[in-house]
Amino acid sequence: EDQVTQSPEALRLQEGESSSLNCSYTVSGLRGLFWYRQDPGKGPEFLFTLYSAGEEKEKERLKATLTKKESFLHITAPKPEDSATYLCAVRGGFQKLVFGTGTRLLVSP
Amino acid sequence: EPEVTQTPSHQVTQMGQEVILRCVPISNHLYFYWYRQILGQKVEFLVSFYNNEISEKSEIFDDQFSVERPDGSNFTLKIRSTKLEDSAMYFCASSNSGQETQYFGPGTRLLVL
Repeated sequence: EDQVTQSPEALRLQEGESSSLNCSYTVSGLRGLFWYRQDPGKGPEFLFTLYSAGEEKEKERLKATLTKKESFLHITAPKPEDSATYLCAVRGGFQKLVFGTGTRLLVSP
Repeated sequence: EPEVTQTPSHQVTQMGQEVILRCVPISNHLYFYWYRQILGQKVEFLVSFYNNEISEKSEIFDDQFSVERPDGSNFTLKIRSTKLEDSAMYFCASSNSGQETQYFGPGTRLLVL
């Protein structure tokens, strides 16, 4: 059964303090690893898709990387507006996404 | 930028009542999905739909649930007889193909009393 574990559960950073979020996964034949951002009471907002080990994607202060067992979301010099829950999901067979429980990020000014 | 829309944003219903949640997927997308998120828990897959058929469903998606594409733009989730444990945020998503990124709507918050 496909599984996703995210750590830490919660992370508090000062503005400008870089850090990384971890997503460990178990899937029989990875057909995509996805990062989403979710604000309270809102739907997941797409950030990145990664398909193969070694792949990297960047967008503004965020950079996602992928290995055969885990993915990292690196946040460089975060700002308060980066505060949100970051969700990792994998797709094995068919179309179903399996989500982790997310990392709640709080960036203080 | 095209986006998935959902109505209503909030719905309160009595246990045992039927509810229909509505979604308008991104216009050129062919695959449609429903997920739910119980408060404080992870997002869970319910069902995927392609070419007017269910292509995959989870154990949660039992006989109480049904999906329909009633016209060229809408995609609906019906819960026939709601239970207290159906209270959750329900998200619709769509994708251009079964292997591409799924884009999510803002959700419908369902409260069953």
